[in-house]
Amino acid sequence: GAGVSQSPSNKVTEKGKDVELRCDPISGHTALYWYRQRLGQGLEFLIYFQGNSAPDKSGLPSDRFSAERTGESVSTLTIQRTQQEDSAVYLCASSRKGGYQPQHFGDGTRLSIL
Amino acid sequence: AQKITQTQPGMFVQEKEAVTLDCTYDTSDQSYGLFWYKQPSSGEMIFLIYQGSYDEQNATEGRYSLNFQKARKSANLVISASQLGDSAMYFCAMREGATTDSWGKLQFGAGTQVVVTP
Repeated sequence: GAGVSQSPSNKVTEKGKDVELRCDPISGHTALYWYRQRLGQGLEFLIYFQGNSAPDKSGLPSDRFSAERTGESVSTLTIQRTQQEDSAVYLCASSRKGGYQPQHFGDGTRLSIL
Repeated sequence: AQKITQTQPGMFVQEKEAVTLDCTYDTSDQSYGLFWYKQPSSGEMIFLIYQGSYDEQNATEGRYSLNFQKARKSANLVISASQLGDSAMYFCAMREGATTDSWGKLQFGAGTQVVVTP
């Protein structure tokens, strides 16, 4: 498909387990972003990639959260030792270079921690 | 401090009427961009319209237009001739330091829930 692809679409796991969320950006989009959206709230920035480097990790809430990206391709967001407050929808977006370029979002991964 | 403020948590509007969604922002940057997104109940984020801080004219995109008042730091979205399919959450977002060579995160407001009634 032509859009941003995220997997899995839903993930239910037990507290304390590690989870990996995947994002496949639009081809040719240099920038990739991760956001978190808690129920009924706005989007909270986590991290962004320019190519495979991450100039801004300021939104990662704790050292349990990490992300990496392979070149200008797939990114994975890993949450270790999940906590119930990690329950949210995790949204990935990608964009071309340029501050005026909109970010195009995937459908998100709904993460539920039991 | 909150960078993007959307003061209307929810609004009802009748079909075919226009609706204005408020957005105020806070930045000390001279170069920035403002974006509006729509999020239907299905959850996807749909880009609607963009306004750059140096744009002299208000942005328009079909039935969407921006009422950009730079001195007041407001960028209100106007949806004309509302349709039932416009029912959704609407988010205002800002990218600071926006130039042709930049990237950078979007900072989002809390959103406004719009319900269009027949």
